[in-house]
Amino acid sequence: DQQVKQNSPSLSVQEGRISILNCDYTNSMFDYFLWYKKYPAEGPTFLISISSIKDKNEDGRFTVFLNKSAKHLSLHIVPSQPGDSAVYFCAVNYGGATNKLIFGTGTLLAVQP
Amino acid sequence: GAGVSQSPSNKVTEKGKDVELRCDPISGHTALYWYRQSLGQGLEFLIYFQGNSAPDKSGLPSDRFSAERTGGSVSTLTIQRTQQEDSAVYLCASSLDNSAGKLYGYTFGSGTRLTVV
Repeated sequence: DQQVKQNSPSLSVQEGRISILNCDYTNSMFDYFLWYKKYPAEGPTFLISISSIKDKNEDGRFTVFLNKSAKHLSLHIVPSQPGDSAVYFCAVNYGGATNKLIFGTGTLLAVQP
Repeated sequence: GAGVSQSPSNKVTEKGKDVELRCDPISGHTALYWYRQSLGQGLEFLIYFQGNSAPDKSGLPSDRFSAERTGGSVSTLTIQRTQQEDSAVYLCASSLDNSAGKLYGYTFGSGTRLTVV
């Protein structure tokens, strides 16, 4: 039973356009939401996060939106660049004493020059 | 060190053999995590160490898996009597502490690719 779902295994976008990556979760108790980026043969790298008390967090070209009523998280990248091509994972955290992240299955983003 | 270091980077082993995977976290990071990624899957939590507290072992898939963290630093993940379904990339990560990990994420190593033949 997947608690975090990324329903699009892949996404292709033209350079300069917006990339929108989506993530759905099942448990309203999740407290923190994160996005990671992963290049081949490397470990995932932290990209951006948001806590449940906010609905938007922006960092340069990256913005994360949280819709708690829909249990939906999205990552917007604008403008997209070829170097953004990677697998993007969303992850959620219960908060509290435990610090276990639950990851989605990832979306492969390809930004075409 | 500057980052999380894992060794070996690749390991091929015969079914039934034991393997040890090593993780050297960032100096000063009190929290250490092991995850694995099987082909086509997301990252699966295995175990979490935080300071001197008892580890959270809730993700270990069977009693063939164990991990220890000595001196609050280096960690070793041991898989006994390996099976083909154990083939995956095993990732180690660390964070400054529990609170930092929640919002600022962890720093992952490059992983150990384990292939059981």
